[in-house]
Amino acid sequence: RKEVEQDPGPFNVPEGATVAFNCTYSNSASQSFFWYRQDCRKEPKLLMSVYSSGNEDGRFTAQLNRASQYISLLIRDSKLSDSATYLCVVNSYNQGGKLIFGQGTELSVKP
Amino acid sequence: NAGVTQTPKFQVLKTGQSMTLQCAQDMNHNSMYWYRQDPGMGLRLIYYSASEGTTDKGEVPNGYNVSRLNKREFSLRLESAAPSQTSVYFCATTTEGLEQYFGPGTRLTVT
Repeated sequence: RKEVEQDPGPFNVPEGATVAFNCTYSNSASQSFFWYRQDCRKEPKLLMSVYSSGNEDGRFTAQLNRASQYISLLIRDSKLSDSATYLCVVNSYNQGGKLIFGQGTELSVKP
Repeated sequence: NAGVTQTPKFQVLKTGQSMTLQCAQDMNHNSMYWYRQDPGMGLRLIYYSASEGTTDKGEVPNGYNVSRLNKREFSLRLESAAPSQTSVYFCATTTEGLEQYFGPGTRLTVT
């Protein structure tokens, strides 16, 4: 079983739609959680950290469920510019500063 | 501030040739990382350096060597390139809170 698993997609949605991505992780000792965004042929960029109580940044909401070991990202009112691959990233206490990346979920927002 | 810079941006090598990928950061972070990204494989850690003077192997270190020259610079060397090393290579640094910042990448083709 992979340490971090995501639905690879692609998710094809119309502008204005709400889309949700899920991610599961296998190491219950994991402590830090992030969502990154990667545009085609570019470097990954930090979208948001994920906190235990859940957090929101504009149209983006991240949730963490430690009991079920999954993380979610909700994007409301999708824009064309949201088209990208979204990477779920996890750190485990017993792995020091190493981050484990999911393979990413591709999102395509259409007019 | 430039953040994380990488050189070169593109490189084509013949099998057996050697080269060094350079990475520099001006973010004053202690930790630096080298990843490779291949289609369908996600980001895989090659080597990392938790601080100046220390380096550790990641998930896929075979065929690579690294040097943490000083706090700013972390280089990746391919001693004898193989076609299996055709990939996109990303350098990254990490804050104390494990937020990772990436360079623009080096696209390497080995023929």
